[in-house]
Amino acid sequence: DIQMTQSPSSLSASVGDRVTITCRASQTISSSLNWYQQKPGKAPKLLIYAASTLQSGVPSRFSGSGSGTDFTLTISSLQPEDFATYYCQQGYSSLPYTFGQGTKLEIK
Amino acid sequence: QVQLVESGGGVVQPGRSLRLSCAASGFTFRTYAMHWVRQPPGKGPEWVAVISYDGSHQSYSDSVKGRFTISRDNSKNTLYLQMNSLRVEDTAVYHCAGSSGNYFDYWGQGILVTVSS
Repeated sequence: DIQMTQSPSSLSASVGDRVTITCRASQTISSSLNWYQQKPGKAPKLLIYAASTLQSGVPSRFSGSGSGTDFTLTISSLQPEDFATYYCQQGYSSLPYTFGQGTKLEIK
Repeated sequence: QVQLVESGGGVVQPGRSLRLSCAASGFTFRTYAMHWVRQPPGKGPEWVAVISYDGSHQSYSDSVKGRFTISRDNSKNTLYLQMNSLRVEDTAVYHCAGSSGNYFDYWGQGILVTVSS
């Protein structure tokens, strides 16, 4: 199975900050990388698919980049509603799809 | 709007069975592949199983293969997960999710399954 490693595991930031979360795959996955946001007690929400395509309705302050094994999620200017846990997920080739362990974004 | 509502969870002893259901609305259920994804308490998601849009193909993670069965009824817009021979390590919140590609477009809020003696 393809292993996904996120860093950092947790991050403290302030409203208005620019934040970057990274995700590394254990082998090349082309651009088959997706990002989700999850708030406590809620379902994950798709933010970005195919590494850089913004899901409909997601604010433009979210962006994704990368290909191969290294990917990033950037939030250009943190808003109060962005404090949550973020997961990457690879959808390359055959199953199983696998997720990173998560990055918890907290208010400083 | 899109809704996926899971039901059927609860507390069960190791070795017993449980059947989860997921009622879908707000999108064309019969055109989406459907998955079960679980989250152990405090951990990240783990993909469990998928069924094709028409129910003709299924696939499972190694951790549940031979014990869990995914199925769907497109006439009722409902997804199922039959879980047999449950183990303590199956304890998790189980989400149903719909996919149009190699990602999960829609998610249910999840239902807790606790396997404990």
